[in-house]
Amino acid sequence: GQNIDQPTEMTATEGAIVQINCTYQTSGFNGLFWYQQHAGEAPTFLSYNVLDGLEEKGRFSSFLSRSKGYSYLLLKELQMKDSASYLCALSDSNYQLIWGAGTKLIIKP
Amino acid sequence: DVKVTQSSRYLVKRTGEKVFLECVQDMDHENMFWYRQDPGLGLRLIYFSYDVKMKEKGDIPEGYSVSREKKERFSLILESASTNQTSMYLCASTGQDLSGANVLTFGAGSRLTVL
Repeated sequence: GQNIDQPTEMTATEGAIVQINCTYQTSGFNGLFWYQQHAGEAPTFLSYNVLDGLEEKGRFSSFLSRSKGYSYLLLKELQMKDSASYLCALSDSNYQLIWGAGTKLIIKP
Repeated sequence: DVKVTQSSRYLVKRTGEKVFLECVQDMDHENMFWYRQDPGLGLRLIYFSYDVKMKEKGDIPEGYSVSREKKERFSLILESASTNQTSMYLCASTGQDLSGANVLTFGAGSRLTVL
């Protein structure tokens, strides 16, 4: 079967660094996506990893290890506006997306 | 920027009513999707479409139907709304970004309450 797990909620301090983990099990893999969703708004695309390693985009980085079925999203220099839910989604062998339930990130001053 | 527009942000309907949720995208995307989002669950795919007049069932199609008469418009229909269809409904379309990934662009969502 296929499943994808991420923590339900995390809390971090403004200016700090936080790592949001995502683990998955799948028989076929065509990449892993991260989306950000502010409360009451649509999810927006953050990153895509299909090969092992780290992809950096400004304050946000995403890492993938296919052999371990593991990804993380790293957010640096946290700002209050980073308070949101972060959704991990796996693209399976048919390019269909399987979504995690999302991690709600709370940033405290 | 790609825009995906959902016609209604909030709807309140009664059990048994027919409900139409409309979605329009302006970037000539082939693929369009309807998801529902419920607390504690990942996004669940209801239906998707690869082309005009084409539709495919997703993971939870029961109680829903769709219509794609024009490329830019993908409608979700609840023939007879039930209380367990109270949810946030998200429409999306896909296009490739610079990395070659098929990135979903979502509409703002339609929050449906069925009484």
